[in-house]
Amino acid sequence: DVKVTQSSRYLVKRTGEKVFLECVQDMDHENMFWYRQDPGLGLRLIYFSYDVKMKEKGDIPEGYSVSREKKERFSLILESASTNQTSMYLCASSPPEGGGLYEQYFGPGTRLTVT
Amino acid sequence: ELKVEQNPLFLSMQEGKNYTIYCNYSTTSDRLYWYRQDPGKSLESLFVLLSNGAVKQEGRLMASLDTKARLSTLHITAAVHDLSATYFCAVDWETSGSRLTFGEGTQLTVNP
Repeated sequence: DVKVTQSSRYLVKRTGEKVFLECVQDMDHENMFWYRQDPGLGLRLIYFSYDVKMKEKGDIPEGYSVSREKKERFSLILESASTNQTSMYLCASSPPEGGGLYEQYFGPGTRLTVT
Repeated sequence: ELKVEQNPLFLSMQEGKNYTIYCNYSTTSDRLYWYRQDPGKSLESLFVLLSNGAVKQEGRLMASLDTKARLSTLHITAAVHDLSATYFCAVDWETSGSRLTFGEGTQLTVNP
């Protein structure tokens, strides 16, 4: 089974702090994604990566950056956390296209509160 | 821009009843995914539909895809309380690379 893990389930940070959210997958997937999920807004894509050291902006990249130094690890960075970044953060991974399939596998999520 | 719309967004139903959740999308795609999310938990893959006319069933849930109508349905048969969750559909399209675009989610509550 694919396993996607995230470094923390719950995190509380102060405004202005630099925050790192880590995601690791064990299935050698090329593609990795960071979403945030807020009530009434569904899942919104922040950044994704299709290879080591490659990154692409999603729909809401402002205030975030990412790092992918190794294939299995994709980090989301909040350079200076703000209260409007309080949210549930979900990491996902998917294999390269095989059989026309881009099914994504999700981690357990990190609920981040910025005070 | 691809849009994926689900309806209804909220569904409250009694145990034993049948109902259908609809997922419409705005551009050509042959691939559609259904996910389930329990409260406070992450998303779990339910179905992957890869071609026009595809139908998949597991237990009381059946998903189908009509690519000509750009419509997928998730049909619930004889609902039970354990099916209470939020259901998301997601679509990828030719130029999206590996991205999926998700619908807003349908929050299903099954009442005894």
